[in-house]
Amino acid sequence: AQSVTQLGSHVSVSEGALVLLRCNYSSSVPPYLFWYVQYPNQGLQLLLKYTSAATLVKGINGFEAEFKKSETSFHLTKPSAHMSDAAEYFCAVGNNFNKFYFGSGTKLNVKP
Amino acid sequence: EAQVTQNPRYLITVTGKKLTVTCSQNMNHEYMSWYRQDPGLGLRQIYYSMNVEVTDKGDVPEGYKVSRKEKRNFPLILESPSPNQTSLYFCASSTTGGPLVEQYFGPGTRLTVT
Repeated sequence: AQSVTQLGSHVSVSEGALVLLRCNYSSSVPPYLFWYVQYPNQGLQLLLKYTSAATLVKGINGFEAEFKKSETSFHLTKPSAHMSDAAEYFCAVGNNFNKFYFGSGTKLNVKP
Repeated sequence: EAQVTQNPRYLITVTGKKLTVTCSQNMNHEYMSWYRQDPGLGLRQIYYSMNVEVTDKGDVPEGYKVSRKEKRNFPLILESPSPNQTSLYFCASSTTGGPLVEQYFGPGTRLTVT
């Protein structure tokens, strides 16, 4: 069975500060890991994905995530938050059986 | 424009009245999937389809049906809706490789069952 745990349902940072959103996964097979972002009243869009190539993955809008197998983690970071980053972020894991599992989401608030 | 469309966007209905939420994509994608989003639970997969006439259950299929008669369409059917199916529903599609490549999401359908 696979699952995804996102620590912190709400994270608040100041504009210009580091963004760190945490994600831990459990998977019985090598995982495919993703971060999706959902802006208010919109569907989800892909930020980045890990599919067993480089462990540090760069995505859109300056976000990146590092796959750490020993910690079963795939935390999302951005060095400097912008007001436009305010959204809900979902970590997700897929497997070779075509099922897909999302975490419960983390809402990012960016303060001026 | 490449997109996934869902209709209706908003629906209020009563318990037991059958309804269908349509989903259509214009990208010739093989894989399509339905999710429901509930506060604190994230998105949970209801059903998915690898291609025409090939569908399978996700994590929370109870109370839902799907069909895939054409590649572009993947309707979600609630035969007898109940209040616990009040949720925000998303349809998604992707190319060969299923969810292991990028999924493209529709705008969502907010369903309320009274």
